[in-house]
Amino acid sequence: NIVMTQSPKSMSISVGDRVTMNCKASQNVYNNIAWYQQKPGKSPKLLIYYASNRYTGVPDRFTGSGSGTDFTLTINSVQAEDAAFYYCQRIYNSPYTFGAGTKLELK
Amino acid sequence: QVQLKESGPGLVQPSQTLSLTCTVSGFSLTSNSVHWVRQPPGKGLEWMGGIWGDGSTDYNSALKSRLSISRDTSKSQVFLKMNSLQTDDTAIYFCTRLLYYGYTRYFDYWGQGVMVTVSS
Repeated sequence: NIVMTQSPKSMSISVGDRVTMNCKASQNVYNNIAWYQQKPGKSPKLLIYYASNRYTGVPDRFTGSGSGTDFTLTINSVQAEDAAFYYCQRIYNSPYTFGAGTKLELK
Repeated sequence: QVQLKESGPGLVQPSQTLSLTCTVSGFSLTSNSVHWVRQPPGKGLEWMGGIWGDGSTDYNSALKSRLSISRDTSKSQVFLKMNSLQTDDTAIYFCTRLLYYGYTRYFDYWGQGVMVTVSS
């Protein structure tokens, strides 16, 4: 099975900073990656699909990039409401494996 | 509008069977795919399995021997049954719609989740 490895596990960022988090697939997944945001006590929300397509209503400070095995989620000018866990997911053929997540904290 | 809502018992005894229902609205089960994802307390997300518009199913191989997903299209409901529950099955269980077209797939709508505790 393909393993999705996210890094870093956590990061502490100031409002207005730019943040980059990574997702590495153990095999080529082409562009078949989605990114989700999850806040405590809430269900995950889709941010990015097909590696770089922003989902409806997602602010344009969220950008996804990459292909093959290496993917990146970038948040430009982080806002206080962006404090959350972020998960990447391999999404075309099952199993639809999630990465372990990156926790974004605000200083 | 699209909605999904999970329901089921909050407490299950070890070795017993978990039965959950996902009631959907705003879309048809015969042309959409609904999946189950769970999240143990303080941990990450685990895809469990799902059912496609044609009624076929997909399961996480780690759970396949214990898991069954079915549906009742007339009631717009998807069911999860998992047997031989243990304490490490304690988790929030989410149902979610998998939108698929061409090479594109993603989980776009999620239920609020239901907390299931496995304990005697």
